[in-house]
Amino acid sequence: DARVTQTPRHKVTEMGQEVTMRCQPILGHNTVFWYRQTMMQGLELLAYFRNRAPLDDSGMPKDRFSAEMPDATLATLKIQPSEPRDSAVYFCASGYGTDEKLFFGSGTQLSVL
Amino acid sequence: KQEVTQIPAALSVPEGENLVLNCSFTDSAIYNLQWFRQDPGKGLTSLLLIQSSQREQTSGRLNASLDKSSGRSTLYIAASQPGDSATYLCAVRPPPYSSASKIIFGSGTRLSIRP
Repeated sequence: DARVTQTPRHKVTEMGQEVTMRCQPILGHNTVFWYRQTMMQGLELLAYFRNRAPLDDSGMPKDRFSAEMPDATLATLKIQPSEPRDSAVYFCASGYGTDEKLFFGSGTQLSVL
Repeated sequence: KQEVTQIPAALSVPEGENLVLNCSFTDSAIYNLQWFRQDPGKGLTSLLLIQSSQREQTSGRLNASLDKSSGRSTLYIAASQPGDSATYLCAVRPPPYSSASKIIFGSGTRLSIRP
């Protein structure tokens, strides 16, 4: 069963520390999305890649967040330095083209103390 | 700017009832609309995807309809079961030619099916 894999599932860290979240999209998918979900804001798009190229990262605080796709099998989202307001669930999703369904990973639950 | 609204935020119905979840969007220029299910502590699972040229899609007990001109989509669940309890979200994708690239999600309807 093909699935999007995210690691770690949970992360607790202290304010100021660097956090790296990883995502393995479904093999063959060429679009990757990073979303953040909170009770207050719902699902917010942070970054969007197509064929490994970043197309939209306007939702991402550039001073502390960065997203990359070193290769087609790995997407990373980094926060440096982390802040308590970054506490949320971070989801990665992948798809193929614009006609196809999006498939979500199980998310990384981040708590910044 | 596209806005997606789902009302009600929460819904509780007895088992066996047929029910309809609503999704409305402000900009009718969409490429497709997708319905997702999210269980507590889990990611989103895609249920149905409707292209802008389609009127409805069906999968088992689920039927999703799309009326672009009125900016509305509905998710119909037949013969509801306790296992259908989850949060249901809709999401609209803008056209490829659009300057917008964001898939916009509604805030979801939390559905509870009472045994």
